[in-house]
Amino acid sequence: QQQVKQSPQSLIVQKGGIPIINCAYENTAFDYFPWYQQFPGKGPALLIAIRPDVSEKKEGRFTISFNKSAKQFSLHIMDSQPGDSATYFCAARLSGSARQLTFGSGTQLTVLP
Amino acid sequence: DGGITQSPKYLFRKEGQNVTLSCEQNLNHDAMYWYRQDPGQGLRLIYYSQIVNDFQKGDIAEGYSVSREKKESFPLTVTSAQKNPTAFYLCASTPRTGSGELFFGEGSRLTVL
Repeated sequence: QQQVKQSPQSLIVQKGGIPIINCAYENTAFDYFPWYQQFPGKGPALLIAIRPDVSEKKEGRFTISFNKSAKQFSLHIMDSQPGDSATYFCAARLSGSARQLTFGSGTQLTVLP
Repeated sequence: DGGITQSPKYLFRKEGQNVTLSCEQNLNHDAMYWYRQDPGQGLRLIYYSQIVNDFQKGDIAEGYSVSREKKESFPLTVTSAQKNPTAFYLCASTPRTGSGELFFGEGSRLTVL
């Protein structure tokens, strides 16, 4: 019940394409869903986040879509660029927990020039 | 500039040796975390601390130990009891426990020879 399942494990797109990364969860006590971006040899950094009372959130070229009934959420990257090549992690916060986040397994995105 | 500093960035250890990874933050955050990152497994929580002189086990605490004697510092010791210690270790902190927003260091890569 604590798991967050992320797919695909890796993704290759051409510049300008729209990569989509999907995550699913079971625990309805999760109340906050962030995405983290990690470049090689660096620590992850918060990219964008959504709460379950919202179905979509956009920040620049990054959009989260959230389907509460299906317990799924996804990250879309519009007009992807080679600089977006990184590993992306979805995560979920358990309401009231000090343990912070449960992370998905990560998606390695490569955007070809 | 405020941030989290992890050292060393790369570390090699012989089997049977203990090693300590340093994590220092000047963000004035109360809560600090240690994660282990392995390919295809996302980030797994080792230990976390919400306040000085207090810490709790995460999901994979066996073979690891921590201390929290100062607010700024949260060192992680990888002991010889850890069966498979080769991994990328990430330290993080948050301004508010349970916020879901983690600030990560750049990581320490430990290789056991």
